[in-house]
Amino acid sequence: EVQLVESGGGLVQPGGSLRLSCAASGFIFRSYWMYWVRQTPGKGLEWVADINQDGSQMTYGDSVRGRFTISRDNAKNSLFLQMNSLRADDTALYYCAGGIATSGYWGQGTLVTVSS
Amino acid sequence: SSELTQDPAVSVALGQAVRITCQGDSLRIYYPTWYQQKSGQAPVLVIHGNKYRPSGIPDRFAASGSGDTASLTITEVQAEDEAVYYCNSRDSSGVRWLFGGGTKLTVL
Repeated sequence: EVQLVESGGGLVQPGGSLRLSCAASGFIFRSYWMYWVRQTPGKGLEWVADINQDGSQMTYGDSVRGRFTISRDNAKNSLFLQMNSLRADDTALYYCAGGIATSGYWGQGTLVTVSS
Repeated sequence: SSELTQDPAVSVALGQAVRITCQGDSLRIYYPTWYQQKSGQAPVLVIHGNKYRPSGIPDRFAASGSGDTASLTITEVQAEDEAVYYCNSRDSSGVRWLFGGGTKLTVL
């Protein structure tokens, strides 16, 4: 059974940092592009970042470029998102996903709230 | 283009068919992926590559498209099909990913 389990979300003040983690199992993690997608409460989905299979290629959405860093550890089947300089509009449920255009593996999300 | 446009809401009577559309320039290049999201749950992939349904997705879900518009058609709609449906595709540059705004399907 495919499982993606996110962790690391929480309440943080504007300007602060958080590191999200995603533990993957049930599929060959090292063979998949991996993604972070976020969803504002009650609203739609927004692609945040993605990373290729060996971690050598990363791409970011315009709203997070320069503040967020995606990375992975294939030995530990783990995906990460380092979020710096957080703003109120980064408040969202953050999903870890794999193969979004084919396999559609998604976690249940971890909630990030940016507020003073 | 950097957008995928969906109608915000559509309703359909139980047992009837419904079409959900997604419009964007990138759809001239890329087939969209369609996701179903029920309240409080993660998105579930229902169609990819314009025709492929993952195991467990009923064959009443089908996709089509022409030009800059893609469609998800659900025939013989069931009560459990009530959800928000999102289209997803790369943008025209092929670098970034886009999601449509979502269409909330209400089953009457």
